Amino acid sequence: GEDVEQSLFLSVREGDSSVINCTYTDSSSTYLYWYKQEPGAGLQLLTYIFSNMDMKQDQRLTVLLNKKDKHLSLRIADTQTGDSAIYFCAEGTSFQKLVFGTGTRLLVSP
Amino acid sequence: NAGVTQTPKFQVLKTGQSMTLQCAQDMNHEYMSWYRQDPGMGLRLIHYSVGAGITDQGEVPNGYNVSRSTTEDFPLRLLSAAPSQTSVYFCASSLQGSDNEQFFGPGTRLTVL
Repeated sequence: GEDVEQSLFLSVREGDSSVINCTYTDSSSTYLYWYKQEPGAGLQLLTYIFSNMDMKQDQRLTVLLNKKDKHLSLRIADTQTGDSAIYFCAEGTSFQKLVFGTGTRLLVSP
Repeated sequence: NAGVTQTPKFQVLKTGQSMTLQCAQDMNHEYMSWYRQDPGMGLRLIHYSVGAGITDQGEVPNGYNVSRSTTEDFPLRLLSAAPSQTSVYFCASSLQGSDNEQFFGPGTRLTVL
């Protein structure tokens, strides 16, 4: 079946880069997504990448996709304390049919 | 627009009690869904609806009922709550079509004793 795995926790200092990793199993996924969840809030779509792309950059965010290894990463440049949140990787054939990872809690210290 | 709203924010139930989690959206979205979020696990789809009068099961539907009598509302019913249903519940909505982003509500934290 489908499975999406992430490390549970990442701690960085303000100003450093953060890299959050994700592995997935379903090679038929059309889209791979990154969502951000702040405390007490719902999930917010950060960015997504089509499965036929290798990289996508959006301001401080860089998404890298290695289809051969089924590995997805999210790099946040110049990480700020406001980036502290839980980040979910998800895969699917559409925005509606998503399989979510376990989430990575990012803690940014001053 | 208020977006996706959920009530209540928090709820404590005793085993065997019933209750309804409310979800509403004011964006005229056809697609609505319910997820549960458990520690150490990703969100799992409970039920979804592609329009008024149409509902279908997701990955973990047992113990939950839904209905969709209007486009705006998609309530989730627990007929006989069990401790295994302790979780955070998220409602989401989107326009129909695979390229349309889902918008999530703020969640309801449910504890079943």
